[in-house]
Amino acid sequence: QKEVEQNSGPLSVPEGAIASLNCTYSDRGSQSFFWYRQYSGKSPELIMFIYSNGDKEDGRFTAQLNKASQYVSLLIRDSQPSDSATYLCAVRVNDYKLSFGAGTTVTVRA
Amino acid sequence: DAMVIQNPRYQVTQFGKPVTLSCSQTLNHNVMYWYQQKSSQAPKLLFHYYDKDFNNEADTPDNFQSRRPNTSFCFLDIRSPGLGDAAMYLCATSSTNRQGVGQPQHFGDGTRLSIL
Repeated sequence: QKEVEQNSGPLSVPEGAIASLNCTYSDRGSQSFFWYRQYSGKSPELIMFIYSNGDKEDGRFTAQLNKASQYVSLLIRDSQPSDSATYLCAVRVNDYKLSFGAGTTVTVRA
Repeated sequence: DAMVIQNPRYQVTQFGKPVTLSCSQTLNHNVMYWYQQKSSQAPKLLFHYYDKDFNNEADTPDNFQSRRPNTSFCFLDIRSPGLGDAAMYLCATSSTNRQGVGQPQHFGDGTRLSIL
């Protein structure tokens, strides 16, 4: 079983809709969770991190964490064509190391 | 702006010819990481430095080495590149909290390595 699993997509949503991305992880002891956005050919860019159960909102992005169910999700509200990218979920596995999922590709249709 | 800078952005080398990729940071972060990322795959951690302490991942090939001469700079050396080493190489940095736990990692723009 992979440490971090994501649906590879592509996830296609119309402009203005909500994009919902899910991530599950295997280590029940994990405490820190991150979402990175990666445009094609570019490096990952940190967009959200969450440490506590519940929701964390930042602009159009909301991260949701449920440690009991071992999943973390990312909602993108009012999706824009510029949100078209691959979204990587990352989970801290020790003091320094992150384990990344393979990413979910999102396409926002104009 | 404080940032993580990787040079070069694109590197072409010949099969078996040593190559060095560089990373510098103005964030004054004490932890620096090197990742390898192949197309449509997750970034794979090769090694990291906590200050001057080098930490190699168990599955990183011996062909990959790293140097960190000071806080700001870190280098990735590939001694004898093979065709399978063609990838994007990402440098990242993070600070640590009072408990010594790494904080969110920030990536440079990456170096895309091609092997002829």
